Amino acid sequence: AQSVAQPEDQVNVAEGNPLTVKCTYSVSGNPYLFWYVQYPNRGLQFLLKYITGDNLVKGSYGFEAEFNKSQTSFHLKKPSALVSDSALYFCAVRDTWGNAGNMLTFGGGTRLMVKP
Amino acid sequence: DAMVIQNPRYQVTQFGKPVTLSCSQTLNHNVMYWYQQKSSQAPKLLFHYYDKDFNNEADTPDNFQSRRPNTSFCFLDIRSPGLGDAAMYLCATSTLDTADTQYFGPGTRLTVL
Repeated sequence: AQSVAQPEDQVNVAEGNPLTVKCTYSVSGNPYLFWYVQYPNRGLQFLLKYITGDNLVKGSYGFEAEFNKSQTSFHLKKPSALVSDSALYFCAVRDTWGNAGNMLTFGGGTRLMVKP
Repeated sequence: DAMVIQNPRYQVTQFGKPVTLSCSQTLNHNVMYWYQQKSSQAPKLLFHYYDKDFNNEADTPDNFQSRRPNTSFCFLDIRSPGLGDAAMYLCATSTLDTADTQYFGPGTRLTVL
């Protein structure tokens, strides 16, 4: 079975500082990993994904994430946070082994608060 | 722009009064999904369709039904909404490629009075 953990319910960072939102996963095969962002009363917006290849993935709005197979992690990062980055962030995984098909398993979400 | 559209964005219904939420897509994706999301929690998958092949999650209550009359449209019917069904309902689509991204609509926030 596939699973995702986001160990922090909330991350606070000052505007202009680097931010990291943590994600660890568990799968039987190789993972496909995704990050989504959700603003209040909105759907999930795709940020980036790791399928294969380069461990550092660049996505929308200056976000990037690093796939680390040995630590089973896929942390989301941004070099300089903006107040407008304040939102709810979800990590998700899809296992390439077994009958997971197209199904995503989401982490519990991390609320990012960027203060001016 | 190709997109996933949900109507209405906000729906208020009364306890026990049937309600239908709709989703349409211009992405021409084979797979459509319905999720329920409560109070900023992780989205919970209710159903998904591979084309017209309906797949119900094991723990989705019988109170929830779905229809997909064609590739573009998908409906979520809640036959007798309870107070516990108040939530954000999210529609998503993807291709059959398991490496593909799921694209989400803006959601419908359901209030049950």
